[in-house]
Formats: sequence, C-alpha cells, structure tokens
Amino acid sequence: NAGVTQTPKFRVLKTGQSMTLLCAQDMNHEYMYWYRQDPGMGLRLIHYSVGEGTTAKGEVPDGYNVSRLKKQNFLLGLESAAPSQTSVYFCASSPLGDEQFFGPGTRLTVL
Amino acid sequence: AQTVTQSQPEMSVQEAETVTLSCTYDTSESDYYLFWYKQPPSRQMILVIRQEAYKQQNATENRFSVNFQKAAKSFSLKISDSQLGDAAMYFCAYRANISPDSNYQLIWGAGTKLIIKP
Repeated sequence: NAGVTQTPKFRVLKTGQSMTLLCAQDMNHEYMYWYRQDPGMGLRLIHYSVGEGTTAKGEVPDGYNVSRLKKQNFLLGLESAAPSQTSVYFCASSPLGDEQFFGPGTRLTVL
Repeated sequence: AQTVTQSQPEMSVQEAETVTLSCTYDTSESDYYLFWYKQPPSRQMILVIRQEAYKQQNATENRFSVNFQKAAKSFSLKISDSQLGDAAMYFCAYRANISPDSNYQLIWGAGTKLIIKP
C-alpha cells in the first residue's frame, strides 16, 4: 500500500515549456486534489475531482489543466509554464472528502 | 466566505515543555470539521488531529490536544512534552460539512513554524 505517490519529485522547466504531473493513489479514494504551496503561504487549491471522469476548478486554476480518466490517477498539466508557476505541488486524496492523504510533493522551478 | 487565520508565523519552545498554537476561523455554518496538519522538513503533510464541530469534547491524540471554542471560533493545538521531532510547520484547516456546495474543500491557514530548542 503505497498511499499517494507523485511523479516526478523535482523538475526544472524553461518558460513556455509544457509538462504533466502525475498523482496516483491505491486507496480507492473518490476525491482527489491538486494544491500548490508557495513560501509563507498555506496550500492553495488548483483543481479537484470528486470522482472518475469529473474535474472542477479550485482557487487558482489559471494556467493549469487536469484529467481524471482513471479513479486512481489525477494528472495536472501545465500548457505553457511561467515563472509564477514555480512552486511545490501537492496531490491529495480523500475517501469521503474529510481527511486528506497527501503525496510527498513535486518541486517545480520555471526559469 | 470561510477563512482560517493563524496569527503566529513562528513559535519556539524548549524541549519537554508545552506549547499552544492558535487558529481562528470564520464561518456561518454550524456543522464542520477542523484539522491540524504537520509538515516537517521532509515536506510530507501529516494529519495530527481532527475535530467535528458537533462534538463538545476536545479531541486528543497522545501528546496533542485541541481547545475547541465553537462560539469564539477558535481551535488551538496544544503540544505537551515537546520533542525535537515535533519541529515542523503546522497548518490549521477547515471543512464545511455541506455537500455538494462545499465539495469538501479544505480552507487552509498560512501556517505556524514551530521550533524546538534542545
């Protein structure tokens, strides 16, 4: 039981490049979330999903897209990376929307 | 809109002593959940303790306990017998218990950095 895993752990991009972050959970959770964490701030919700095939916008969705084609996977895409997207990205999952289980995070730097 | 405020950016405590971290929130709801999460230098977010608003009894988990004051909208975390491994960022979070309006989103505070002095 690996819990929530995130791939990759670190990534450096140039402005304008695209990439996809992968989140996988093996707990059969319905809810999944993508957050970003910037220095001195709490977590900010980017997008979330309440079940396979569904996605919804969170607090800071601009510049990101997501997909939940399989229940266990939640992908976060950056179409054209910008320096403002330099951050640590966390994925989380939840069985019923209460306690959230977090992945280890992905540190993304956009030059 | 709901908000969560952690007014202490940083706190320090001597090892083996007790420390209390503050959290206040604003909501018009009567049914909700409150959480304290810990984020050590490894960055992994770990649930420390949770409190259901309808329960009057304060939650406890070993050395961790909360002081939940619903009328004052206050949810402080007390750490007893502080240990070096307690050094971390601590985040307070709120979740309304109304679905589907809230879609179970957590509202997060900005965090408090806890330093343990040996």
